[in-house]
Amino acid sequence: NAGVTQTPKFQVLKTGQSMTLQCAQDMNHEYMSWYRQDPGMGLRLIHYSVGAGITDQGEVPNGYNVSRSTTEDFPLRLLSAAPSQTSVYFCASSYGLVQETQYFGPGTRLLVL
Amino acid sequence: AQKITQTQPGMFVQEKEAVTLDCTYDTSDQSYGLFWYKQPSSGEMIFLIYQGSYDEQNATEGRYSLNFQKARKSANLVISASQLGDSAMYFCAMREAENSGGYQKVTFGTGTKLQVIP
Repeated sequence: NAGVTQTPKFQVLKTGQSMTLQCAQDMNHEYMSWYRQDPGMGLRLIHYSVGAGITDQGEVPNGYNVSRSTTEDFPLRLLSAAPSQTSVYFCASSYGLVQETQYFGPGTRLLVL
Repeated sequence: AQKITQTQPGMFVQEKEAVTLDCTYDTSDQSYGLFWYKQPSSGEMIFLIYQGSYDEQNATEGRYSLNFQKARKSANLVISASQLGDSAMYFCAMREAENSGGYQKVTFGTGTKLQVIP
């Protein structure tokens, strides 16, 4: 099992550009989520999904879109990048029960100029 | 209101000593899970320990134990016999049922940076 994979590892964007952060898992987890990590803020939930075709907003959803067409993939789209979106982005997956821990991808470091 | 509060931005501990990292949480759910993760300087998130809201005994995993006080809504992480490799950021997290549909959110604290001194 590859676990949770994320691409790219690093990305530099100019303000206004769009891009998609990829996330995939091969553990058949129904629950997937995206977080951003900023200094002093911990991890904040952007969007999450409880299964294919079902997504919902987290704490900081503005400026981001998600879709979940398959169980394995959960891409995060930045429609028009802003410097405030400079951050480290983590994707995580788990089974859908309260006691299940989340498995994290290695993260994507994004810099928006 | 903060769902997860970690009041110690940074802590120092002497090698081989024990250290307690504080975490308090806020929820009205009866069923929830509490987790601790370690994030070394390399950046990955490593799961350490889990405590369920219905678990009567404190969770333990090797040198890690979770001091769960449900009435006080606290879930402190205790690391015994600290090692240099324990130097990292530590995050407390809570997973609770969102609504009757079973949607859940996982909320993280802001973390505690632990430095182990030789």
